[in-house]
Amino acid sequence: SQELEQSPQSLIVQEGKNLTINCTSSKTLYGLYWYKQKYGEGLIFLMMLQKGGEEKSHEKITAKLDEKKQQSSLHITASQPSHAGIYLCGAFLRNAGGTSYGKLTFGQGTILTVHP
Amino acid sequence: NAGVTQTPKFRILKIGQSMTLQCTQDMNHNYMYWYRQDPGMGLKLIYYSVGAGITDKGEVPNGYNVSRSTTEDFPLRLELAAPSQTSVYFCASSWIDNTYEQYFGPGTRLTVT
Repeated sequence: SQELEQSPQSLIVQEGKNLTINCTSSKTLYGLYWYKQKYGEGLIFLMMLQKGGEEKSHEKITAKLDEKKQQSSLHITASQPSHAGIYLCGAFLRNAGGTSYGKLTFGQGTILTVHP
Repeated sequence: NAGVTQTPKFRILKIGQSMTLQCTQDMNHNYMYWYRQDPGMGLKLIYYSVGAGITDKGEVPNGYNVSRSTTEDFPLRLELAAPSQTSVYFCASSWIDNTYEQYFGPGTRLTVT
């Protein structure tokens, strides 16, 4: 099973609709990253959350971190075709040997399709 | 800055062949990483390096080798390619700071037949 679970695995929305992608960890996390990937390309950094309750926004994308729930959500307002792609969350997880600073664990990704 | 560059972009290998995936970064980052991405599985860490001369295994190191002789370069070697190594490979690099933000290369799509 994945240490970081993303839901949903895929999402199809009409342009203009709001949507939310969730990322839940089975372990204590320290630092949560959101990346976007267009098909056939590398990952583009969106934002990083470090503290419980932290919320960051960039254009129409907002990410929040709920440290108690070990969960982060990514919310897109008024989606556009340019938002389409794969969204991945990554985190530093606390293992038996300590926190894996520098070694990101990734979720399986959420494929977002936005129909015009 | 070119950022993180990877070569080649595409490659088809026959079973049992070997090859080296090249990765170079020009940001003077200490940390470098190799990931593989399989459909629906996210990214899995193969190897990483915290500096020149220092490498360590990630989650899925079997069948791969790495070296880090310079800060800039972090090649990934596949020996005796197998169909299970068909994947997209990404190299990344980061600073040692309080963000550890990773910068990714464009990827290498490898098919082993």
